[in-house]
Amino acid sequence: QAQLVESGGGVVQPGRSLRLSCAASGFRFSIYGMHWVRQAPGKGLEWVAVISYDGSEKYYGDSVKGRFTIARDNSKNTVDLQMNSLRAEDTAIYYCVKEFRYSFDAFDIWGQGSMVVVSS
Amino acid sequence: QPALTQPASVSGSPGQSITISCTGTSSDVGGYNFVSWYQQHPDKPPKLMIYEVTNRPSGVSNRFSGSKSGNTASLTISGLQAEDEADYYCSSFASGNKVFFGGGTKVTVL
Repeated sequence: QAQLVESGGGVVQPGRSLRLSCAASGFRFSIYGMHWVRQAPGKGLEWVAVISYDGSEKYYGDSVKGRFTIARDNSKNTVDLQMNSLRAEDTAIYYCVKEFRYSFDAFDIWGQGSMVVVSS
Repeated sequence: QPALTQPASVSGSPGQSITISCTGTSSDVGGYNFVSWYQQHPDKPPKLMIYEVTNRPSGVSNRFSGSKSGNTASLTISGLQAEDEADYYCSSFASGNKVFFGGGTKVTVL
């Protein structure tokens, strides 16, 4: 069945960088847009970024624009999130998420999440 | 501050129906039919319950239904059951190729 597995989370100091990776399996990865959504401890969901099925289009949430970069490798079925200039408010569980049918329509497959803690 | 407004909590007794609202603007909920709803149990990832305002994915109980009027979308849970106790989030596509989420609603089964 369709599955997403995130990796790369951990504890990082403010101002430093971290790269998350998401490995997809069980579905035709190359035809779906992929997103990252985060959830701060005890808080709600926040959309972070999206990359189109072929990588040609990328969009970001206002709070991460200019600091985070999303990328994908359709030959390896992976999507990455490069996070630079990290801040305490970036502390969250980061979920890799698959679009359901169309661009931006809904999110049907979620990974288990990767925890990122930004702290000195 | 979440872009979409949801009530912080809603409660009901087993068997009752409850409705959760999700209010946005004409640039998100009111302007597009890409409104979806997610259920999240503690320490679990969210689960898609409703997509494109009214549609249920395969495997989701027909006790869950969605609707929209103007800038407000709604999720109704009929025949409330203990397993429905969870957090619920609405989401909408927004102008500028963004996605907005609501702040979440905690559903309590009394």
